[in-house]
Amino acid sequence: AQSVSQHNHHVILSEAASLELGCNYSYGGTVNLFWYVQYPGQHLQLLLKYFSGDPLVKGIKGFEAEFIKSKFSFNLRKPSVQWSDTAEYFCAVTPRGSQGNLIFGKGTKLSVKP
Amino acid sequence: DTAVSQTPKYLVTQMGNDKSIKCEQNLGHDTMYWYKQDSKKFLKIMFSYNNKELIINETVPNRFSPKSPDKAHLNLHINSLELGDSAVYFCASSPHGLNTEAFFGQGTRLTVV
Repeated sequence: AQSVSQHNHHVILSEAASLELGCNYSYGGTVNLFWYVQYPGQHLQLLLKYFSGDPLVKGIKGFEAEFIKSKFSFNLRKPSVQWSDTAEYFCAVTPRGSQGNLIFGKGTKLSVKP
Repeated sequence: DTAVSQTPKYLVTQMGNDKSIKCEQNLGHDTMYWYKQDSKKFLKIMFSYNNKELIINETVPNRFSPKSPDKAHLNLHINSLELGDSAVYFCASSPHGLNTEAFFGQGTRLTVV
C-alpha cells in the first residue's frame, strides 16, 4: 500500500533558522507531490506542488522543495523561518491517475520561537 | 468569496444522533472529497465523487453516507454517531485531470458527547 512518512513529529526553531522537513513516500509508479500547511485553527493551504519537470519547486512564502526520485523523497526547505510559519505541515502524494486521492503523511508541527 | 465552504464549522452532538455536514464549492471543479482528520492530526480520505458519481469509498463505516445532489455539492450524513467519530472533517475539491491539486474547506469540528 502507498504511504507517506514524515520523519519529524515536532520541530522547534528560532526565528531566522533554516528549515528542512523530511518526506518520503512508498510507491513504485509516477506520483504527484504536494506540501500543504495548516495554520492553527485553519484549513489546509497548498504550499507547493510537483507534477513533472524541474525537481526543485518553489512555493509561496519562500518555501521550496526538492524531488529526489531515487530516494523517493520530497523534502521541504526554507532558508529563514519566521514566527508566522508556526503551523502543521503535511506532505502528500497522489499516484498519477488515481483521480486525486491524496495520501497524507502524519504531519510535522513547526513551532518558531520569536 | 469562499471557494470551498462547509457548514457548520462546529458541531456538538450526543451519541446516537444523526447529523449532516454540507459542502459547496464554487470553483467549477468536477471532483469533491471528504477527509477525516483525527485527534493526532492524521488526514485520511473517506470518499471521492466525480461529477456526482462515487469513485473512492475507503473503509468507512456504512453509518457514513455521502450525497452529491450536483457536482458543486457533496454532503456527508452520519447516522448513529459514536464517540470515535469525533474529528475534524474536511471537504475538498479538485478540477478534472491528472495534474491537479485539491482545495480544502475550513473544516467541521465534530464532537460527540
